[in-house]
Amino acid sequence: NAGVTQTPKFRILKIGQSMTLQCTQDMNHNYMYWYRQDPGMGLKLIYYSVGAGITDKGEVPNGYNVSRSTTEDFPLRLELAAPSQTSVYFCASSYESLGGTEAFFGQGTRLTVV
Amino acid sequence: GQSLEQPSEVTAVEGAIVQINCTYQTSGFYGLSWYQQHDGGAPTFLSYNALDGLEETGRFSSFLSRSDSYGYLLLQELQMKDSASYFCAVRDQDGANNLFFGTGTRLTVIP
Repeated sequence: NAGVTQTPKFRILKIGQSMTLQCTQDMNHNYMYWYRQDPGMGLKLIYYSVGAGITDKGEVPNGYNVSRSTTEDFPLRLELAAPSQTSVYFCASSYESLGGTEAFFGQGTRLTVV
Repeated sequence: GQSLEQPSEVTAVEGAIVQINCTYQTSGFYGLSWYQQHDGGAPTFLSYNALDGLEETGRFSSFLSRSDSYGYLLLQELQMKDSASYFCAVRDQDGANNLFFGTGTRLTVIP
């Protein structure tokens, strides 16, 4: 059982470049999330999705875009990379009900913008 | 909106008990979760409280008081491997149930 898989694990981008961080889950979860974590800090929600075709902004959406065409995949797009986007990015998924909030995280993508 | 406050650092001795507090403010509230994150790793789920009281899972327990907007994580019989960051998180009722995290408490277990 793979859980949540993120690719790539590491990436260095030049300012102004674009890239897509891939995230896929095989647990048939309806909710998916993208977070960024700066060194020594907590997790900031970038975007989330409550199901295929539905996405919404989190706390820090500027400079990012997402799509959710299938239940399994939730890619995060950076269009014009900036040094401020240097961070560790985590994708997570959960099966939402009012009874529980266990989210499963991928291993993260460490992005450096130079 | 929502905010969560946790102490930034805690140090405790191996074998001891440590409590990590979390106070929260949200526009709606479903429950409080706790996650553990080792350096360089991904957060992993520890516990969830939707109702007031104590939930016990092995050496870890979590407590919630909805009237006080307060919860804590209790770690007993501390082991060196418990050295990690611990985050509380709330599911906010405002919007579509997104999951917000506190800034985390770094626990260092010393011999």
